Amino acid sequence: EAQVTQNPRYLITVTGKKLTVTCSQNMNHEYMSWYRQDPGLGLRQIYYSMNVEVTDKGDVPEGYKVSRKEKRNFPLILESPSPNQTSLYFCASSPADRRLEQYFGPGTRLTVT
Amino acid sequence: GDSVTQMEGPVTLSEEAFLTINCTYTATGYPSLFWYVQYPGEGLQLLLKATKADDKGSNKGFEATYRKETTSFHLEKGSVQVSDSAVYFCAPRRRNSGGSNYKLTFGKGTLLTVNP
Repeated sequence: EAQVTQNPRYLITVTGKKLTVTCSQNMNHEYMSWYRQDPGLGLRQIYYSMNVEVTDKGDVPEGYKVSRKEKRNFPLILESPSPNQTSLYFCASSPADRRLEQYFGPGTRLTVT
Repeated sequence: GDSVTQMEGPVTLSEEAFLTINCTYTATGYPSLFWYVQYPGEGLQLLLKATKADDKGSNKGFEATYRKETTSFHLEKGSVQVSDSAVYFCAPRRRNSGGSNYKLTFGKGTLLTVNP
């Protein structure tokens, strides 16, 4: 089954404790992206990757890091989480020729206390 | 800059009612336009798209027509079902800040609840 998976689905952590949210897709897509969803703000892009070893900032990259060492994986790293990073996070992927037709993961609900 | 204005919800309808969710956008040129849907507890899914003026996108009984004169892409369905209850996002294409690439601009989302 074609899918984007994220782990964990739910996470409660404390300020300053480094964490990684994993994202994996099995569709051989070149393009991958991370979004955060906050009430009243819709989805905002954090980082994206056009292909392996090619990443770039989205609209709200501060406080986040990403890497793309393999085509299927695109982890999101929070080196020192803060309460304002409490949010619902989505990973998405798409093929290079239809980059805007994105497949989304189920989401990761992160709470930073 | 590019932006999207989407009808605020929540919208509550009875089954078989007619649905319209308004979406207007500002953008340079004539961008591709998309509607995404988010069912409860799930990630977003592409619902339909239109890539040029006067195109009509359709899927699952939903339709949206790309109107360049009014820069609008309103979502419609003639007879909604309980299973259509979800959050709907209008998403025009826009250029990134460097101007070298395209990405989606998501509206704030409209929550639709359909009662039996």
